Amino acid sequence: DQQVKQNSPSLSVQEGRISILNCDYTNSMFDYFLWYKKYPAEGPTFLISISSIKDKNEDGRFTVFLNKSAKHLSLHIVPSQPGDSAVYFCAAREKGSNYKLTFGKGTLLTVNP
Amino acid sequence: KAGVTQTPRYLIKTRGQQVTLSCSPISGHRSVSWYQQTPGQGLQFLFEYFSETQRNKGNFPGRFSGRQFSNSRSEMNVSTLELGDSALYLCASSPGSRGNTGELFFGEGSRLTVL
Repeated sequence: DQQVKQNSPSLSVQEGRISILNCDYTNSMFDYFLWYKKYPAEGPTFLISISSIKDKNEDGRFTVFLNKSAKHLSLHIVPSQPGDSAVYFCAAREKGSNYKLTFGKGTLLTVNP
Repeated sequence: KAGVTQTPRYLIKTRGQQVTLSCSPISGHRSVSWYQQTPGQGLQFLFEYFSETQRNKGNFPGRFSGRQFSNSRSEMNVSTLELGDSALYLCASSPGSRGNTGELFFGEGSRLTVL
């Protein structure tokens, strides 16, 4: 039973445009949601997170939106750059479970010059 | 500041053998977590150690075990290897403090191939 789902295996956008990556979850006990980026042959790198009590968090070109009623979150990258091309993982943490994260299967983002 | 270091980076084993993977966390980090990444299942949580104690465990069989030493370094062991254990094993460290947000700092992983 997948508690965190990324339904789009891949996404392709033009440089300078907005990239929107989506994630759905089923567990109401998640208290933090995180996005990680992964390049080939490297470990995942933390990008941005959001608490379940917020609905938006922004860090430079990256913004995460949380819609608790829909159990949906999205990562917006504006403007997209070729260096953003990577696999993006959505992850969620159940309250009290410290570093036990549940990951989605990832979305491969390709930003074309 | 040095990142999370995992050794070995690549290894090949045969079915039935056992393997030990090592992880050195970022200096000052007391929590070490292990994840398995496979193409079909994505990243799955194995276990987390804090101050030499296992704090959380994922849904993996008892063939998967781990430990943490007093210097926060960690090892994980897989016994009686099966073909399905072929995966990228990722170690991640964090300060481990109360009120944490779950942010992990990952190493580059150990790529295990079981033949």
